[in-house]
Parts: sequence; structure tokens; C-alpha cells
Amino acid sequence: DGGITQSPKYLFRKEGQNVTLSCEQNLNHDAMYWYRQDPGQGLRLIYYSQIVNDFQKGDIAEGYSVSREKKESFPLTVTSAQKNPTAFYLCASSILQGTRVEELFFGEGSRLTVL
Amino acid sequence: GNSVTQMEGPVTLSEEAFLTINCTYTATGYPSLFWYVQYPGEGLQLLLKATKADDKGSNKGFEATYRKETTSFHLEKGSVQVSDSAVYFCALSGPRGGGATNKLIFGTGTLLAVQP
Repeated sequence: DGGITQSPKYLFRKEGQNVTLSCEQNLNHDAMYWYRQDPGQGLRLIYYSQIVNDFQKGDIAEGYSVSREKKESFPLTVTSAQKNPTAFYLCASSILQGTRVEELFFGEGSRLTVL
Repeated sequence: GNSVTQMEGPVTLSEEAFLTINCTYTATGYPSLFWYVQYPGEGLQLLLKATKADDKGSNKGFEATYRKETTSFHLEKGSVQVSDSAVYFCALSGPRGGGATNKLIFGTGTLLAVQP
């Protein structure tokens, strides 16, 4: 079945450690996105990518890094510089009609807890 | 810049009650508007969308009309069920500063709890 797969679903990290969240899609979508979800704050965009080997910062990119070496994959690294990393992370992808995104397809999310 | 404001929750209703979740937006140009739903522990799913003024999106008994004159996209359902309990997000296409429409901007979400 086509879709977006995020792993792991739950992740625990000690302070000072980097951690990488995986996101893979088999929908042949050009664009991929990472959002962070915190209670009462909705979704905030971390990074997005419209094409392989290119990506742009979203609204809260500090303390995060990404890569887009393959069309299907868009991993997110939460670095030790991220001061408050405990959150629910959502990966999404979309077709682009020109530069317009019309619908996002989401993965099931990864819940990161810093101990 | 572009932004979305939706009513705060939680909204608690009895089964078969009428639902309205308000959403208003600020945008340059002509964004597309969306409602997404998130069931507990899951990612978001598209519920409905509208791409131009006066369009009505509908799905699973939910409806929303793109009203440019009031910059609103309120979500309605005539008779809610327990299975509708979820978080609902209003969203629009476009960056906070206007211009290209290559990403979605989400509201803060509204939790709906339907009691039997």
C-alpha cells in the first residue's frame, strides 16, 4: 500500500544526545515536510523539501537538521542544540501543482521524550 | 502575513448534536483552505478542502464553505457521532509572509469530544 512510514513510533533520549527520526514515502511525491506538534500550539513547520538535495527552513528550524538524498526519504535529526525537544513529530508529503501544495499526506508520527 | 485562527476547545457535545467549529484566516492572494482531522495517537487526515471563494467542501457529513467576504471556513456537521471525537485543524496554503503556496499553515486545533 502507498503511504508514509515514520519510525520509530516512540523514542526516548537522554539530554545531550542527537537522535534521527526516519520518514519514508512511496507515493512518488516531490515535496516532504516535518512538523512539530505540542499541546495547545497546533503544528509548526520545521523543514521542508521540494526536490532532492534541496530543503528550506520552516518556522522553528533551530536545533534541527535534515537531508534529502533520495526522493523517498527525508530524515530529521534532533540535535542537542534543541532546547526543548520533547514533542510529537509528524512527517508529510505532497504533490506540487506548480508551486502550490493542495493536500498533505501524513505519517503516523513519532513521539520523542527527553529524559 | 498569512495565519489561521480557530476556536479553542475542547468542544463537548452529546451524540446527534449540531457541530460548528469556527475558523477565520488572514491571507494575501487566494489560498486554498482545508480541514484536517487527527484521531488519538495518529497522524492527520484530510477531511475536506475548498480552493476558491464560495466553494463548499464536504465529506463524511462534514461541510465547510469558503467565505472570502468574512474570511472564514467554519466546519459544520448536522449530527455528530461518538466516532467523530478527534482534534480538528483548519489550514491554508501559503507562507506566513504571503507569496508562494508551497506549504500549509495550521491553526492550533480544536478537540471535539462527543458523549453517548
